[in-house]
Amino acid sequence: NAGVTQTPKFRILKIGQSMTLQCTQDMNHNYMYWYRQDPGMGLKLIYYSVGAGITDKGEVPNGYNVSRSTTEDFPLRLELAAPSQTSVYFCASQTVDTQYFGPGTRLTVL
Amino acid sequence: DAKTTQPTSMDCAEGRAANLPCNHSTISGNEYVYWYRQIHSQGPQYIIHGLKNNETNEMASLIITEDRKSSTLILPHATLRDTAVYYCIVKKEYGNKLVFGAGTILRVKS
Repeated sequence: NAGVTQTPKFRILKIGQSMTLQCTQDMNHNYMYWYRQDPGMGLKLIYYSVGAGITDKGEVPNGYNVSRSTTEDFPLRLELAAPSQTSVYFCASQTVDTQYFGPGTRLTVL
Repeated sequence: DAKTTQPTSMDCAEGRAANLPCNHSTISGNEYVYWYRQIHSQGPQYIIHGLKNNETNEMASLIITEDRKSSTLILPHATLRDTAVYYCIVKKEYGNKLVFGAGTILRVKS
């Protein structure tokens, strides 16, 4: 199993650009999550999904959108990138009691 | 979910046991204590979790006090590769969100 994979690993965006962060898991988990981590801080939940077709907001959803059309994929969309969205983004999927995290995407908005 | 309090940082000599404390005085009866760690620039990694009994796995031991208001994560023989931020999180086992605080920076020194 590859576990949780994320692409790209790094990205630099200009203010106002849009992009999609990809997340895929091959463990057939229903629960998936998107977190962001600012320098020196803990992770903050952006959005989560409890299964295909079902998503909900986390702690910091503003400026982001998600979709969940399949069990495997949970992409995160940034529509109008802002410097405040410079961060490291982690995707995770969950069994009954354990979350498995991807390697992260480091995003810089200039 | 109950909040947790952890020391900001700790040092440990290589080969010695690392004991990381966590206070969770408002924990409720159906909440578990989870430990994750994050090695620099990587996604968080699950370590162990427990309800009230002490738990041990191949990575660590978890000691929970009888009143469940505090716990200690024990890495029995710390190595340089155990240098990381360690997060203590309290949540219901089947609840779907992890709330990350600042964690404890553990530095293992040779």
